[in-house]
Amino acid sequence: AQSVTQLDSHVSVSEGTPVLLRCNYSSSYSPSLFWYVQHPNKGLQLLLKYTSAATLVKGINGFEAEFKKSETSFHLTKPSAHMSDAAEYFCVVSDQQTGANNLFFGTGTRLTVIP
Amino acid sequence: DGGITQSPKYLFRKEGQNVTLSCEQNLNHDAMYWYRQDPGQGLRLIYYSQIVNDFQKGDIAEGYSVSREKKESFPLTVTSAQKNPTAFYLCASKSDSLIPGSGELFFGEGSRLTVL
Repeated sequence: AQSVTQLDSHVSVSEGTPVLLRCNYSSSYSPSLFWYVQHPNKGLQLLLKYTSAATLVKGINGFEAEFKKSETSFHLTKPSAHMSDAAEYFCVVSDQQTGANNLFFGTGTRLTVIP
Repeated sequence: DGGITQSPKYLFRKEGQNVTLSCEQNLNHDAMYWYRQDPGQGLRLIYYSQIVNDFQKGDIAEGYSVSREKKESFPLTVTSAQKNPTAFYLCASKSDSLIPGSGELFFGEGSRLTVL
């Protein structure tokens, strides 16, 4: 069975400091993993995805994530937070074995950036 | 520009009324999805469609109905049977991919439904 756990519902950082949003997953088969960002009253936008190629994935806006199979983690990081990064972030897992049409979403992490 | 268009952005409904939310895409994607978003609960799948004239129930389909008569369109009807319809509704399509499950979702801007 698949599942996604976002370990923090809310993260607060100061502008210019590093960002770490944590995600752990459970999947019976080789997973595809995604991070999406949602600004208030908007749809979700893909930040980056992992699909069994390089374990360190670089995305848009300076974000990156590392797939760690031994830890079943896919944490999202950014070296220096910007005010425009304040948003909700969702970690998503998809099962490659089943070609799942159901994508499993985490409950989201709200990132606040303090000036 | 290619993308997903949802309308209306805001909608108010009286109890007992059915409403239909529109979702149109020009990305030529086969798969389309409807999600419901409530505060603190992430996204929950209502219905999805893998191909024209076919759709499946998601986790919370009760009180909702869909149709997929055209590849570009996947409207969602919120019926009076839905007990708590006030929510933010998101439509998405998924890109095709050689690796199963690796296609990414493209989302519309959402429709916010409020029941008065």
